Amino acid sequence: GAGVSQSPSNKVTEKGKDVELRCDPISGHTALYWYRQSLGQGLEFLIYFQGNSAPDKSGLPSDRFSAERTGGSVSTLTIQRTQQEDSAVYLCASSLGRVDNSPLHFGNGTRLTVT
Amino acid sequence: LAKTTQPISMDSYEGQEVNITCSHNNIATNDYITWYQQFPSQGPRFIIQGYKTKVTNEVASLFIPADRKSSTLSLPRVSLSDTAVYYCLVGTSNDYKLSFGAGTTVTVRA
Repeated sequence: GAGVSQSPSNKVTEKGKDVELRCDPISGHTALYWYRQSLGQGLEFLIYFQGNSAPDKSGLPSDRFSAERTGGSVSTLTIQRTQQEDSAVYLCASSLGRVDNSPLHFGNGTRLTVT
Repeated sequence: LAKTTQPISMDSYEGQEVNITCSHNNIATNDYITWYQQFPSQGPRFIIQGYKTKVTNEVASLFIPADRKSSTLSLPRVSLSDTAVYYCLVGTSNDYKLSFGAGTTVTVRA
């Protein structure tokens, strides 16, 4: 079946512009996660959704970052007034959520480059 | 969340068995042990998960001792395509701030 889909796969933007990153999770997965991965580094947790609710937004690096999820499906991560330090790969994952051992299924990410 | 410790890197040759040990001394009763594999320019991919004893699938085996304070991922007869970063995670689905540390970079040489 279809996996987690992220778009765009690559995004180059100028400093100060806003960007929107999209994630289509696996159908039926109630939990959705956003991570950020800088070059050669591990994954940094950003935000988690259970359904359309984000119980914890503390992983978002600044108030320029926001995310929403609608219909328990598609999620959008928005970065306003982008800065060069925002350059990274943004990864989305989904899982069955409430099953204790439900593994994460990742998309291939959006590579964001801020010039 | 249970903190994990794994080697930064390991080198191997084609056809050898690679064993990566992850330490998780403060694992909780409900925690599962899950391993992911990440290739360049891709998201991590689930490869195996266990709670106790031994789990085997078509890709790897996972050995978990009785005290569950560590686990070992075993990759049999590796090939060049097994060159990747391997992450060990410990927790449950309620641990949404899952910590993917630096992982273990496995390099397989011909």
